[in-house]
Formats: sequence, structure tokens, C-alpha cells
Amino acid sequence: QKEVEQNSGPLSVPEGAIASLNCTYSDRGSQSFFWYRQYSGKSPELIMFIYSNGDKEDGRFTAQLNKASQYVSLLIRDSQPSDSATYLCAVIHGGGSNYKLTFGKGTLLTVNP
Amino acid sequence: GAVVSQHPSRVICKSGTSVKIECRSLDFQATTMFWYRQFPKQSLMLMATSNEGSKATYEQGVEKDKFLINHASLTLSTLTVTSAHPEDSSFYICSAFGGAVDTQYFGPGTRLTVL
Repeated sequence: QKEVEQNSGPLSVPEGAIASLNCTYSDRGSQSFFWYRQYSGKSPELIMFIYSNGDKEDGRFTAQLNKASQYVSLLIRDSQPSDSATYLCAVIHGGGSNYKLTFGKGTLLTVNP
Repeated sequence: GAVVSQHPSRVICKSGTSVKIECRSLDFQATTMFWYRQFPKQSLMLMATSNEGSKATYEQGVEKDKFLINHASLTLSTLTVTSAHPEDSSFYICSAFGGAVDTQYFGPGTRLTVL
């Protein structure tokens, strides 16, 4: 059973702070890693993806990947109340007909004005 | 882009009726589509994986005769909830694999209420 683990939260940060969301995965062979954001009552939307060890920055978002530790994180700088949502970590393992994207249960982030 | 649409966005039906939900990938072809269900304040639950031209693969505990899935083309999958009951009321979300980044892109979801 391939697993993706996230702290369910809630994670509460003040406006303007850095929010740090963490995720670990069990399949050492996983190659592709994604972060989705889901607002309450809405469907998930893709916000970041990362394939290589290290950091990947996109605006206020930075994804970090450490394959040796099987750890992927998402940093949100200058957090805004509009960032309040559930963040889902997802990992692809397998390939071809055996492709599977496994989601974590999500971390609820609340940014307080 | 990678846009996935769902129709209808909201449906209310009487107990015992059947409801069909459509999922379309608008700007890419998707050989694989997925159907999820989400109850309030709970995680996404994968119901089934749908491959174009073949039978869907259902997750354990999901009744294949109740949740009929058809993936007739590379851009369309449908989920039919047969003989719906109040306990089937939920948020149903489809996703399609593909797009500019090979991952799953989600439709906006369909909120089903069974009276």
C-alpha cells in the first residue's frame, strides 16, 4: 500500500507569515510530486509540481523535495486570508497502465487577518 | 491549459431515481478519468478509475451496479447513480489525467442531493 501522509491540521498562521505544509510518502520509487489547493465546497486545483530534489519557486509558493528523506513540502510566503484552504499533497508512482496518483488527506490552513 | 468540465453542477432528485453526471476534458484527450466522492469535511474518496473503451475499475466497497461508469471517448466519461438514496447525497468530482503537466486535473464537481 503506497501511502502519502500529511498533518491534518488545522495549521493557523497570521497574515504575512510563512506557512509550511509537509508531506511524506512511502514509495521510494515515486518520481512526480504535486500540491493541490481545495477551497471549502470546491474541487481541488493544481498549484505546484516538482520532480527534482531541491526547491522550486512560483510566486509566493515554494515546493521543496528531498527524495532521500521521502519528504516534500510547500511554503507559502506572505500568507493571505485567501490562502485559507485545504492543501493536498499527491504523489505519482508506477507508470503506463500501472500509473497511480495517491493523495494525502490534506492539511487545513487558516490564515488569520 | 487543462480544463475539465462537469455537468450538472448541482442536482436535486427524489429517492429511487437515477442521475447522470458528465465529465469532459475540454482541451486535452484523457485516456484515464477518475471519479471521487467527498462528504462534508472529509477527504476525497476515489470511487473508480475509468479508461476509454474499457470497463471501469472500482475501489473496494464501491458498488459497480449502483455507480455506472461509461468512458465512451477520450474526452467524455459519465457516472450514473442508479436508484439514488439520501445516503448517496454527496459532492462528486471527476478528474482527467493528462494536460500540459501529466497529472490529474479536476472538474468543478457536482453536488447531489437526494430527497
